[in-house]
Amino acid sequence: DGGITQSPKYLFRKEGQNVTLSCEQNLNHDAMYWYRQDPGQGLRLIYYSQIVNDFQKGDIAEGYSVSREKKESFPLTVTSAQKNPTAFYLCASSTISGQGGGQPQHFGDGTRLSIL
Amino acid sequence: ILNVEQSPQSLHVQEGDSTNFTCSFPSSNFYALHWYRWETAKSPEALFVMTLNGDEKKKGRISATLNTKEGYSYLYIKGSQPEDSATYLCAPSGGYQKVTFGTGTKLQVIP
Repeated sequence: DGGITQSPKYLFRKEGQNVTLSCEQNLNHDAMYWYRQDPGQGLRLIYYSQIVNDFQKGDIAEGYSVSREKKESFPLTVTSAQKNPTAFYLCASSTISGQGGGQPQHFGDGTRLSIL
Repeated sequence: ILNVEQSPQSLHVQEGDSTNFTCSFPSSNFYALHWYRWETAKSPEALFVMTLNGDEKKKGRISATLNTKEGYSYLYIKGSQPEDSATYLCAPSGGYQKVTFGTGTKLQVIP
């Protein structure tokens, strides 16, 4: 079955450590996205990518980094510069249409990151 | 960042009741409006994407309308069932492949 796989489901990080969240899709989608959810807030966009080897900052990119070396993969690194990393992280993908933003996004099951 | 408001924040309805909720967004720089359903312990699932003013989409007992001139969309559920219990998210797009999510309306259908 086609879909998006995020791993791990739960992740614990010690302060000062970088951690990488995995996101893989086999939907042949060009665009991929990373969102963060905090209690009482909507999903906020961290980074997105429309094509391999290119990505753009979202609304809350500080303290995060991404890469897009393969179409199928869009890993997110939470760096030690992210002061409040405890959150639920969702990865999504979509096809691309014209001007953009008109294609539904498909989501993974998410990764919950906690600080020890 | 688009200012997206969803109301109500939560609601409880009896099984069989019909219900509706609202998504408000800036009417300028509008490209598309997405609705998603997010059930507990699952991932968000796309319901509709609408682009034209006056658009109306339907999927089973769920339908949505769009008014781009005044910047709002309504989601309707006819004859609510317990399996409709979920958080419903709207997400307008101003283009560039990006959407901005509202905080959602959490629906609980009581059997």
